[in-house]
Amino acid sequence: GNSVTQMEGPVTLSEEAFLTINCTYTATGYPSLFWYVQYPGEGLQLLLKATKADDKGSNKGFEATYRKETTSFHLEKGSVQVSDSAVYFCALTSIIQGAQKLVFGQGTRLTINP
Amino acid sequence: GAVVSQHPSWVICKSGTSVKIECRSLDFQATTMFWYRQFPKQSLMLMATSNEGSKATYEQGVEKDKFLINHASLTLSTLTVTSAHPEDSSFYICSVRKLIGTGNEQYFGPGTRLTVT
Repeated sequence: GNSVTQMEGPVTLSEEAFLTINCTYTATGYPSLFWYVQYPGEGLQLLLKATKADDKGSNKGFEATYRKETTSFHLEKGSVQVSDSAVYFCALTSIIQGAQKLVFGQGTRLTINP
Repeated sequence: GAVVSQHPSWVICKSGTSVKIECRSLDFQATTMFWYRQFPKQSLMLMATSNEGSKATYEQGVEKDKFLINHASLTLSTLTVTSAHPEDSSFYICSVRKLIGTGNEQYFGPGTRLTVT
């Protein structure tokens, strides 16, 4: 079935460091890909998305490119801030039994130290 | 501002009692809402899809008689955990689907932390 695999956390970086969180997927067809962020005590928020191959999603300095050849959607940011500390989830949409559903990776906890 | 609200944000109940969690779509009418469960340091697991005016569709392995879902209006879905046990303690999150153009997007609520003692 369709699945998402993220790099295991937790990830700890210093402020202004470069961030990469790896995400690979297994899917039939052409899923849309997403990154969601969950700040402490809050619900998930959509960070960025890409709906077809070679699309680049970007938001708040974060970027991810839909790579069909490597089935990847790695999240990157050039210079992280303390406020970026959160849990990040990679996800894809999947048609399961005729209904469109989100399939999530296990999440990666990111901590940025000042 | 918030698109989806949940109430309560946290609840503690005794084993054997039932707990109702509300999910409200604040900005638009939602024909489809989703209920997820999140264990500590783990991902979200879809429990069921809630469709306004019809029965919810449950994922494999989710007991429909234990997790009762009611989607009585276009802005409200409720999840009732019946005869709760400590293993039901978890973080429950709802989301609503909004149609945007030819696609759609999901908006998530802030979650409800349930602790069963």
